[in-house]
Amino acid sequence: AAGVIQSPRHLIKEKRETATLKCYPIPRHDTVYWYQQGPGQDPQFLISFYEKMQSDKGSIPDRFSAQQFSDYHSELNMSSLELGDSALYFCASSPPRDTQYFGPGTRLTVL
Amino acid sequence: SQQGEEDPQALSIQEGENATMNCSYKTSINNLQWYRQNSGRGLVHLILIRSNEREKHSGRLRVTLDTSKKSSSLLITASRAADTASYFCATTPTSGTYKYIFGTGTRLKVLA
Repeated sequence: AAGVIQSPRHLIKEKRETATLKCYPIPRHDTVYWYQQGPGQDPQFLISFYEKMQSDKGSIPDRFSAQQFSDYHSELNMSSLELGDSALYFCASSPPRDTQYFGPGTRLTVL
Repeated sequence: SQQGEEDPQALSIQEGENATMNCSYKTSINNLQWYRQNSGRGLVHLILIRSNEREKHSGRLRVTLDTSKKSSSLLITASRAADTASYFCATTPTSGTYKYIFGTGTRLKVLA
């Protein structure tokens, strides 16, 4: 069965650079969620989209933005990267108000 | 702030023993889910228990939910070395959207 696809799987950036993370949900899933997991931490909700509209916002810095496109894939844009942004970024998709299925994550390292 | 708190934070047992992990949360929930995460890897969905359910089984997993105490437990029976991972509970509050609120996780180590 198709799973959530995230790209890239690993990303290394310098401070103050920008990064774009991509998420391709499971087919027919119209809701996408982004989570950030710092080293040794639990995943923290960042933002979600339903039918291409932002549906909820969590602890997402103003330097980050995201959107969901017409094909339901989503991109998380991160600017002015800081060392503390180094983390695993997970995308999850689901049908409306149902179990979320997580992608493998993108490991971002900021040097 | 995180809703879920897990207990213990780390657990080390021998292969064949049972492992019990607990999760507490603060607000009313629609359901509670347990996920497993191998070191630095993705989150694998284990089991979902709805707010009107008290117990659920799946293979060697047994989950209980006590909404009056706002707590849940995950029991892994006859543990194997391959069960070594971090285990997280995730709740979906009744208010707001369906985002997950994760607990801090229990790091389970099963010794062969």
